[in-house]
Amino acid sequence: GENVEQHPSTLSVQEGDSAVIKCTYSDSASNYFPWYKQELGKRPQLIIDIRSNVGEKKDQRIAVTLNKTAKHFSLHITETQPEDSAVYFCAAPFNTDKLIFGTGTRLQVFP
Amino acid sequence: GAVVSQHPSWVICKSGTSVKIECRSLDFQATTMFWYRQFPKQSLMLMATSNEGSKATYEQGVEKDKFLINHASLTLSTLTVTSAHPEDSSFYICSARDLAGGQGTTDTQYFGPGTRLTVL
Repeated sequence: GENVEQHPSTLSVQEGDSAVIKCTYSDSASNYFPWYKQELGKRPQLIIDIRSNVGEKKDQRIAVTLNKTAKHFSLHITETQPEDSAVYFCAAPFNTDKLIFGTGTRLQVFP
Repeated sequence: GAVVSQHPSWVICKSGTSVKIECRSLDFQATTMFWYRQFPKQSLMLMATSNEGSKATYEQGVEKDKFLINHASLTLSTLTVTSAHPEDSSFYICSARDLAGGQGTTDTQYFGPGTRLTVL
């Protein structure tokens, strides 16, 4: 079925520490995996994405890894800052068209 | 980057009335737009896929007669919540895909700023 599981639901870290959020998807045909950051009352903002032909992608402090065999992909944020505090959503496409979102992770970075 | 706008940004209406929300792609053409609903502290739930020039595809459990979708042009999709009730109060967000994007961009969805609907 159409399912994207995301863990953890909440994550609290100290400024400067790393944060990792994991997602599992069910559609083996999925080939595009975006991560969105949403601040309270605002639209989701695409922060990074990865396609199935690569295993890792990095953009400054943010990286995403993909394990197609296990149907897992993860978001890694290093050197966290208070402005990283937000809700993060993973997503995966189903039927090569619509995006199904994970349940979200509320990240809090304490100074 | 691709910009998607929504109007209105918020609306308060009385129970039983209808509300129309517009979603526009401002600097690109979108054959496909998506409508999501997000309740407080929850994820984005896909309501329907809006295709230009054809009927929308609704997700299971979403009443097509209550949530009317019209995608009359490559830059505009509208969602009308008919006979709104307090339980329809939510944050409605649209997204659009860039038709002209090259490899690696056609999957990217750009989100509108959302419309907060409150039904009294």
